Amino acid sequence: AQKVTQAQTEISVVEKEDVTLDCVYETRDTTYYLFWYKQPPSGELVFLIRRNSFDEQNEISGRYSWNFQKSTSSFNFTITASQVVDSAVYFCALSAPNTGNQFYFGTGTSLTVIP
Amino acid sequence: DVKVTQSSRYLVKRTGEKVFLECVQDMDHENMFWYRQDPGLGLRLIYFSYDVKMKEKGDIPEGYSVSREKKERFSLILESASTNQTSMYLCASSTRTGNEKLFFGSGTQLSVL
Repeated sequence: AQKVTQAQTEISVVEKEDVTLDCVYETRDTTYYLFWYKQPPSGELVFLIRRNSFDEQNEISGRYSWNFQKSTSSFNFTITASQVVDSAVYFCALSAPNTGNQFYFGTGTSLTVIP
Repeated sequence: DVKVTQSSRYLVKRTGEKVFLECVQDMDHENMFWYRQDPGLGLRLIYFSYDVKMKEKGDIPEGYSVSREKKERFSLILESASTNQTSMYLCASSTRTGNEKLFFGSGTQLSVL
């Protein structure tokens, strides 16, 4: 069975602080894909990153970085020097070919950046 | 700009009414999905479709049905709305190739009174 856990329900940080959002996943598949989405107050989920299970390289995109560790089944997301515009709900998700390509989402982490 | 468009941002209906939520995508995507989003529960899959006139049940299909008569349009139907169906409904689409990213609409906040 596939499962994604985001243990942090809500996080508040002061602007310019760094923040890490945790994501732990469970799967028996050897091939799978991990995603992060951002949901701003407007409601539309915006794609941030997709990672396949064979690529453990960390990735950096501007102030965003992702740490994928298969040994701990984690795919954590760090925002450096947070800004008010980063305030949103962030979802981690998993999909795998063996499960019909369905997406399994975590319950989300609500991030508030205080100016 | 590629788009997934949901017909209503906010909708208020009465218990027992038949409700139609419409979703249209302009990306020629094969796959379309309906999710329900509730606080503390994340996104839960209601139904999905891999092709015209095809549909598959997701995790919580009870009380819902869907229709996909054209490739670009995927409708979610609440046959007899109930108060426990008050929720945010999100439509998404993706290409046929497995595990490609989902493109989401802005959501419909449905309130059933």
